[in-house]
Order: sequence, then C-alpha cells, then structure tokens
Amino acid sequence: QKEVEQDPGPLSVPEGAIVSLNCTYSNSAFQYFMWYRQYSRKGPELLMYTYSSGNKEDGRFTAQVDKSSKYISLFIRDSQPSDSATYLCAMYWTGGSEKLVFGKGTKLTVNP
Amino acid sequence: GAVVSQHPSRVICKSGTSVKIECRSLDFQATTMFWYRQFPKQSLMLMATSNEGSKATYEQGVEKDKFLINHASLTLSTLTVTSAHPEDSSFYICSASTVDSGETQYFGPGTRLLVL
Repeated sequence: QKEVEQDPGPLSVPEGAIVSLNCTYSNSAFQYFMWYRQYSRKGPELLMYTYSSGNKEDGRFTAQVDKSSKYISLFIRDSQPSDSATYLCAMYWTGGSEKLVFGKGTKLTVNP
Repeated sequence: GAVVSQHPSRVICKSGTSVKIECRSLDFQATTMFWYRQFPKQSLMLMATSNEGSKATYEQGVEKDKFLINHASLTLSTLTVTSAHPEDSSFYICSASTVDSGETQYFGPGTRLLVL
C-alpha cells in the first residue's frame, strides 16, 4: 500500500461546478497537509497548508482533513476554466526524517 | 511504479563546504528531471530543468555556478550546492518525468539542508 493515494483522474467538470479532490494516506504520523496546484510546464504552487483536522477556507478553496479516517480533501467552489491544472496533495511529519510525500496528482479540466 | 528517491534525506554542513544531493528514478527512465527549492510554508520554486546528457536550464535568478546540476544518466541527477552558506539552508526536492508520463512529474521525498 502506498503511503499516499490520489486518483490521477482526469477529472472534467463544467464551469461553476463544485470540485472535490481527495487523498488518502496510511501513515498516522503525518501532521501537516498541503495542496499544490500545478499548471502545465510550471512548478507546483502551494494552495493550502493545514495542520489539524477540520476545515480551512480560502476564497473558493476549502481544505478538509479527517485524521481519524486518514483522508484529506480539497473543494473548489464555482470552478473556473483557470482552475484547470493538476492538483497534488502532500504531507509530512516532524520529528523524523521530515519526509515529504506527494500524491500522484489529479488532472482537472474545467470546461467553459 | 514511478518512484523517485533522494539521498541524503537530511544534511548538515559547515559554511563554505559543498554538498551533493542525488535524485534517482528507481523503476523508470527519467528523460527530464527538475530541481525545486522550498522555504517553510512557501511554494516549491523551480530552480532548474535538466535533460539527460545535456546542460541544465536554470530559472531566472538561480546561480548556475552555485547550484551545479548533472544529469549523467536516465536514472540519476545530482545537485551540488557549492560553497554553501546559511542562506542556502532549505528543502530541496527533485522530480522526474518520462516521455510516456507527459507533463506528470514524480516527486522525490526531498532533502533538508542546514548550513551552519
């Protein structure tokens, strides 16, 4: 079992739809959770950074962490064509090797 | 499949010394490798892109003589931080892609560098 599982998609939705992106993980030691957005031929940019369980909202984006289920989500409301990109989850814990583990990424296309 | 490893995972060195970080694709041939740098809670910043057998392409603002990149084979790329200084302390991450993976990059676990 991989440490972090993420459905690679591709995911195609109409403009204005609510998008749900998810990752599951197996290592309960993970403490910090991130979502990156990567446009074609660009480096990933950090979208959301969360530490604890619960929700964190930033504009149209909501990150959700459920440590009991080892499940994290990123919701995009009112999706726009400019949201079309690959979204990667990543996580790590301190106190050990601080190994950063990425999901494989989900490719999202928002159709106008 | 598509596993990328980095070595070492953590390194502490004295100011003025050079540090080499290795990035390996374990089960595939990486035609292109990328080196990123990340400060705490910041985005990954692309430093350079390298194709096997050719010179790396550096992003604007990245010193070529400071960060030496070698992509000698389809499974190995190295980043050498020369004459390291405390401001070089950061998290360095590599990724790799193949002809078949298209734009998908497979990320390594990162190397934390601390320069004293």
